[in-house]
Parts: sequence; C-alpha cells; structure tokens
Amino acid sequence: ETGVTQTPRHLVMGMTNKKSLKCEQHLGHNAMYWYKQSAKKPLELMFVYNFKEQTENNSVPSRFSPECPNSSHLFLHLHTLQPEDSALYLCASSQVERGNQPQHFGDGTRLSIL
Amino acid sequence: DQQVKQNSPSLSVQEGRISILNCDYTNSMFDYFLWYKKYPAEGPTFLISISSIKDKNEDGRFTVFLNKSAKHLSLHIVPSQPGDSAVYFCAASPYNQGGKLIFGQGTELSVKP
Repeated sequence: ETGVTQTPRHLVMGMTNKKSLKCEQHLGHNAMYWYKQSAKKPLELMFVYNFKEQTENNSVPSRFSPECPNSSHLFLHLHTLQPEDSALYLCASSQVERGNQPQHFGDGTRLSIL
Repeated sequence: DQQVKQNSPSLSVQEGRISILNCDYTNSMFDYFLWYKKYPAEGPTFLISISSIKDKNEDGRFTVFLNKSAKHLSLHIVPSQPGDSAVYFCAASPYNQGGKLIFGQGTELSVKP
C-alpha cells in the first residue's frame, strides 16, 4: 500500500457510542495531522503530531482523543459525540524537517452522529 | 476570523480556456502556500506550492502566482480540461510552525466540454 490510508471510510454512531478512526501512512513522514471538514466550511486543523509528540491541539473538545503510537499510525478516539460532530475527518502526513513540504491526505472518514 | 479566503465558491470555464482561481490571506507570517484539488469522496490531492521568496511557480499546465504586497495568490490552469473539474483549496503555512496549514473554503471549478 502507498500513501495515507484511513479506516473506516464511513461510520454511523449514536451519541453514547465509543469508536476509533484509524490512519496509517506509508510515506516515511514524521508528522501526522487530523482535520475536520464540515459542510460548506474550510478544513479545520484539529491535532498535530511531530515525531509522535502532540504539538498542537486546536481547542478541540475532549470527546475527541488522539493517539499516535508511532510515526506511521494515528488514531482518533471518539466518545459521547454530538450531532454537530458529523463531518468528514481527514488525516494527513508530511515531512517537517526538510523545509517546507506539502501534506498528503487520506480519503477521509465520513462520520454521522445519530 | 478567516485568515485564508477564497471568495468565489464556484467557477465555470470552457474546455481549452484558462481557469484562474484566487485566494487572499491576512497573516503576514505565512511563508508557504499550497493548492490542493479535491474530487468527491476523495481526500485533497496536493497540486502545486510556492514559497514566499518567489512570486511564480510553474508545473505543466498549472502556475501559481504570489503577490505578497497584496496578500494574494492565484492558480492558473492552461488549457483547462474537463478532468480538472473539482474543488480547489488554497492553504497557507505560518513560518516555523511545524507544517501547520490554514485552508480556504474552496472554489468548485467546472470545465465544460
């Protein structure tokens, strides 16, 4: 496999459920990111991990909990979500120490909260 | 307070003609700018980028222009092809912030045969 892979592609869950989104990158990058894209809005950065350490939490509610066990894997743990959390969740990776480098995105998980 | 703005939600162009997508920003600390293309049900795909030390970068049919004094960048696609129909996002990265990107709202380009 190449690039950035996200699973599942679609997820429907109730507000009391607990689920996790998974992201894996095969590009040898050292930074990974979670973004949220709601309808008609720009992509919003949620979390940044550089060398497995969280370096940015963009005022994200605690019902979203990220985990980065190594530089290739990133998880987003979800619990007691609200209907307004329904959105497309995108994972990205990049190489940050070689100057400016673009981020490469997965195809996202479409999340629907009932 | 949106730091990166794409004021045109949509653009329609005839095949073979030039497509010009525009983007404005407010933060003078941005030093790296990118354009991404997104098809439905797929993630954004990196298209082209430009550093703030340049005012133009070209890659095949795609050229990005940066006007730092106006805090404006644009993407030119020449000639436009029907396969270019997608949503285009501009993004900007602040200096020395570890790859953080701020995105615009996107412009949906439709190239008609």
